[in-house]
Amino acid sequence: GESVGLHLPTLSVQEGDNSIINCAYSNSASDYFIWYKQESGKGPQFIIDIRSNMDKRQGQRVTVLLNKTVKHLSLQIAATQPGDSAVYFCAEIAPDYGGSQGNLIFGKGTKLSVKP
Amino acid sequence: EAGVTQFPSHSVIEKGQTVTLRCDPISGHDNLYWYRRVMGKEIKFLLHFVKESKQDESGMPNNRFLAERTGGTYSTLKVQPAELEDSGVYFCASSQDGQGNLYEQYFGPGTRLTVT
Repeated sequence: GESVGLHLPTLSVQEGDNSIINCAYSNSASDYFIWYKQESGKGPQFIIDIRSNMDKRQGQRVTVLLNKTVKHLSLQIAATQPGDSAVYFCAEIAPDYGGSQGNLIFGKGTKLSVKP
Repeated sequence: EAGVTQFPSHSVIEKGQTVTLRCDPISGHDNLYWYRRVMGKEIKFLLHFVKESKQDESGMPNNRFLAERTGGTYSTLKVQPAELEDSGVYFCASSQDGQGNLYEQYFGPGTRLTVT
């Protein structure tokens, strides 16, 4: 499969527990951050985003925390379910210029494995 | 609404051959991006179209890669001649311009390219 050779960090949790996935970003000028979920054989799927003027944002069962001081993002998933098993990527938007939308800079990803 | 589609889903070619990947973005999306993930690495940006114009091609690895978006609809990415290190998964993403969630990029399922 696609993950062969990637040696991703892996987080294994029990169904029903909360999961926390961490990410360090690189560019202190980045002002927009996104978490993506990638299931096997599919492209990255948007989960939740946060702007740099916020330190927390909540969605349905997911919360993103942003610590700009140490350039750290985390994704918290409440009551983790087997369907949450996937690779999770954080991404930052490269500095925007010329009025166009910037490209995404992805982190390495974390594989979440949920045990029933 | 149909999502981003990519063709083929998988391509196996020999070193030195040519391959052309195709991406059909979501209808009406002006922004189209190409990314790739090579073995053991994170997803990396290749280039960004706004309609038919190349907005940013700073991620293109070398001149063996040629991307086009004639008419501002679908896009092709041609690799000629392919080398072993080009193996990986090539993702296409599209986003609207100026409406809704400005930065949400919708990804296709990817094309897995294997160069032998």
